[in-house]
This record gives sequence, C-alpha cells and structure tokens, in this order.
Amino acid sequence: QKEVEQNSGPLSVPEGAIASLNCTYSDRGSQSFFWYRQYSGKSPELIMFIYSNGDKEDGRFTAQLNKASQYVSLLIRDSQPSDSATYLCALISGTYKYIFGTGTRLKVLA
Amino acid sequence: GAGVSQSPSNKVTEKGKDVELRCDPISGHTALYWYRQSLGQGLEFLIYFQGNSAPDKSGLPSDRFSAERTGGSVSTLTIQRTQQEDSAVYLCASTPPGRWDEQFFGPGTRLTVL
Repeated sequence: QKEVEQNSGPLSVPEGAIASLNCTYSDRGSQSFFWYRQYSGKSPELIMFIYSNGDKEDGRFTAQLNKASQYVSLLIRDSQPSDSATYLCALISGTYKYIFGTGTRLKVLA
Repeated sequence: GAGVSQSPSNKVTEKGKDVELRCDPISGHTALYWYRQSLGQGLEFLIYFQGNSAPDKSGLPSDRFSAERTGGSVSTLTIQRTQQEDSAVYLCASTPPGRWDEQFFGPGTRLTVL
C-alpha cells in the first residue's frame, strides 16, 4: 500500500464548478498535510497546509482533513481554466520527511 | 529575493557517465531536500540536509547516488555510472529555519540518460 494515494485522473470539471480532489494516507501518526499545485513542466508550489481536523479555507481553496478516516481533500470553488494542473497531496512522516502522492490531474473546461 | 536555483536546467548524458547536479538554496534556509520525479509520478524523497547535522540519505536509490552540502549552502547531487532509469527531473527544495511547512522548490534539472 502506498503511503499517500491519489486518483491520477484526469478530473474534468466545467469552468465555474467546484473541483474536489481527494487523498488517502496510511500512516495514522501523520500530523501535517499539504496540497501542492504543479503546472506541466514546472516545479510544485504550495497551495495550502492543514494540521487539524476540519476545514481550512483560503480564498477559493478549502482543505479538509479527517484523521479518523485518514483522508485529506482539496476543494476548488469557481474553478478556472488556469487551475488546470496536477495537484499533489503530501504529508510529513516523522519531523521533516515529505511523502508525496502521485498527483491528480485537473482539467477545467472553458 | 532570489529563489532556489538549480543547474543545469537540462542534462543529456550517455549511459555509464557521471553527472553532477547543483542546487543553490534560498539564503538563510537551513534545510535542503533533493527529490526525483519520474514522468507522470509524484516526488520521490532522496536526501535531506539540516544545518550541520548528518544528512538523511535514506531515500537514495543506490550507492551510485551521493550528495553533499558545502558550508550549509550549495548542494551537489552526484550520480555515478548513470543508467537509463535515472532519467527524471531532479528537484531541490529548501525551507527556512523552523518552518518545515514552507518548502520552496527550484526549477529542477531534467536528466536524460541515453
């Protein structure tokens, strides 16, 4: 079992819709979770991090964490074509070691 | 200020040759990571440096891979006797002191082994 699992997609949503990206993880001891966006041919950039159960909102983005069920999700409201990218879920194992999922490719259709 | 820089941006080499990839982290950042990203894959942790502490080399895939960080700043990842399966994008990231949640990535080095 992979430590961080994501559906590879592509997830296609129409412009203006809500995109929902999901991630599950295996290590119950993990405390810190991250969502990165990676455009094709570019390096990842941090969108959000979340440590506590529940929701965390930042603009059009909402991260959701459920430690009991071991999943993390990212909601993107009012999706734009510029949101089309691969979204990487990551966690920290121990104190500093990042473990990344393979990413979900999102396509926002104009 | 300047971000994380990496060089070269692209490297094409022949199987069996050695290559050196360079990472220059953001000034003042104490932690430095190397990752490998193969086509369509997530990031694979390779090595972690923190200040003057011994590095965590647990992610290096074989003894052909090594890395060093001189003076707590610039880092070099060396791959000896390259193989075709080493072809990937090698990414470097750094984090400021005490802020392990702020990881800044460099643009990467795309390595192609023929």
